[in-house]
Amino acid sequence: GPKVLQIPSHQIIDMGQMVTLNCDPVSNHLYFYWYKQILGQQMEFLVNFYNGKVMEKSKLFKDQFSVERPDGSYFTLKIQPTALEDSAVYFCASSSPAEQFFGPGTRLTVL
Amino acid sequence: GQQVQQSPASLVLQEGENAELQCNFSTSLNSMQWFYQRPGGSLVSLFYNPSGTKHSGRLTSTTVIKERRSSLHISSSQTTDSGTYLCALERDTNTGKLTFGDGTVLTVKP
Repeated sequence: GPKVLQIPSHQIIDMGQMVTLNCDPVSNHLYFYWYKQILGQQMEFLVNFYNGKVMEKSKLFKDQFSVERPDGSYFTLKIQPTALEDSAVYFCASSSPAEQFFGPGTRLTVL
Repeated sequence: GQQVQQSPASLVLQEGENAELQCNFSTSLNSMQWFYQRPGGSLVSLFYNPSGTKHSGRLTSTTVIKERRSSLHISSSQTTDSGTYLCALERDTNTGKLTFGDGTVLTVKP
């Protein structure tokens, strides 16, 4: 099926640092999403993004989080500053607009 | 309460047996999607199935909106089918947000 890429696959950072997670969505998709999965727990919605704007965000999408897709490049999730509870696997997804396709995830470890 | 409930939580089969995985939801539905989550964590979309029955190889998905349920049937299971199966619904708010169930962990023994 259509491929969504995520870079990096793993990221280890110290608490308080900034981190940017990158997503290369399916080329003709217009809707973009971030989800968070803590090890062994449920996949949870963070935010969705369309036409340069956040459409909906969950309670997990804290003020320290931001998303953007400048000039049709990577769709990014930035966390600044990071906290210990941000450790999780972050999945990016895209759709056009129905079926969502997911990337392999970025495993973020905050020390 | 939880909007999406999956059952069973875990299932162990002998290779060749069939499996029926259930997803029940308590809210109105715009779409239903089934995913396979590999042991390494990546997700594969199996079905986008807002209603009715769809087939793909040994897999069949049936969504009955009036009964607020969706099922995934795996026939002639193989050891490579082992992993976690997730259902996710998009509510009729049409924002694209998916709400996931807790998943069914399937183990197929040789």
